[in-house]
Amino acid sequence: RKEVEQDPGPFNVPEGATVAFNCTYSNSASQSFFWYRQDCRKEPKLLMSVYSSGNEDGRFTAQLNRASQYISLLIRDSKLSDSATYLCVVNRVIFGKGTRLHILP
Amino acid sequence: DVKVTQSSRYLVKRTGEKVFLECVQDMDHENMFWYRQDPGLGLRLIYFSYDVKMKEKGDIPEGYSVSREKKERFSLILESASTNQTSMYLCASSTSGRLSGANVLTFGAGSRLTVL
Repeated sequence: RKEVEQDPGPFNVPEGATVAFNCTYSNSASQSFFWYRQDCRKEPKLLMSVYSSGNEDGRFTAQLNRASQYISLLIRDSKLSDSATYLCVVNRVIFGKGTRLHILP
Repeated sequence: DVKVTQSSRYLVKRTGEKVFLECVQDMDHENMFWYRQDPGLGLRLIYFSYDVKMKEKGDIPEGYSVSREKKERFSLILESASTNQTSMYLCASSTSGRLSGANVLTFGAGSRLTVL
């Protein structure tokens, strides 16, 4: 089993819809979790940290499920500008391969 | 804002050449990292450093070495470039500790290396 796994997508979602994707991790002792966003031909940038109790930042909600060893990202009221690749990161430095999201007008 | 600067955006080298990729950060971060990113493979950690003159192997160190003589600078070296090292190379830095923002990676814009 790979250390960090994500569905590569692409997820094609109409503007205004809600979309969610997960990221599973294999090391049950993992301590820190993040979501990064990467636009085409750009470097990854932090979207949000993921806290044990779950956290929200505007239209974005991140959750951690330690029992099933996954983190999730929910995007509400999706915008065209949300189109990007979303990378989950475990233990600060281990990246998933990313999930591509396309928001359709 | 933290700035991570990679010296070259695009490089073209020949097989067997020695290649230096330079990375400088301006926020006194302790930690620096080199990744490569390839389609379908994602970001893979090559080497990292938690302090000056200190280095640790990542997941794919073979064919690479690094140098960290000063806190702000972390260099990636390809001793003898090969075609399978054609890739996008991303440098990142972070600070340690428990304060807000700790352990968050800030990336440079990347260096796209082509080895012919």
